[in-house]
Amino acid sequence: QKEVEQNSGPLSVPEGAIASLNCTYSDRGSQSFFWYRQYSGKSPELIMSIYSNGDKEDGRFTAQLNKASQYVSLLIRDSQPSDSATYLCAAASGNTPLVFGKGTRLSVIA
Amino acid sequence: NAGVMQNPRHLVRRRGQEARLRCSPMKGHSHVYWYRQLPEEGLKFMVYLQKENIIDESGMPKERFSAEFPKEGPSILRIQQVVRGDSAAYFCASSPAGGVGFRNEQFFGPGTRLTVL
Repeated sequence: QKEVEQNSGPLSVPEGAIASLNCTYSDRGSQSFFWYRQYSGKSPELIMSIYSNGDKEDGRFTAQLNKASQYVSLLIRDSQPSDSATYLCAAASGNTPLVFGKGTRLSVIA
Repeated sequence: NAGVMQNPRHLVRRRGQEARLRCSPMKGHSHVYWYRQLPEEGLKFMVYLQKENIIDESGMPKERFSAEFPKEGPSILRIQQVVRGDSAAYFCASSPAGGVGFRNEQFFGPGTRLTVL
């Protein structure tokens, strides 16, 4: 059974701080990893994808992948109240459907 | 708007009725995935389709649920004889065709929220 695990939170951080979200996955064959942001009542929005070990930065977001540890993380710098949402981690190999974690609720406090 | 389109956005059905959910993928995308999200639960894969083919339906209940993606027109997820437990948000996602450098980024539509009375 392929699984993706996330801490459900809520994770509370003050405005301007770094939010750190973590995820582990069980399938060593996974090749593609994604972070989605989902606001309450809305659909998931793709914010980061990562495919090789190391860091990938895009604006205030940095995704980190460690395949040996089967670990993916998302850092959000200079957190804003508008970043408050549920963050979903997903993994896949090739064209396979995404396996999602249950998500981590982030609350950025002004 | 070149995004994934789903309709209806909200659907109310009584127990025993049929629900039909439609999804039009992004322009240029030929892969469609359906996911279901129950309240306070994660997204669960249901079915993966390409034009005229079901590639993987391992997440779809064997009874009452079916899906298609015809040569022309949207993908349709059909739920027959709905029960209260079918109440959920149903999301469709699409991705481009595979090939060199294909990375399986999936983009989601706004979802259909099904309520069964």
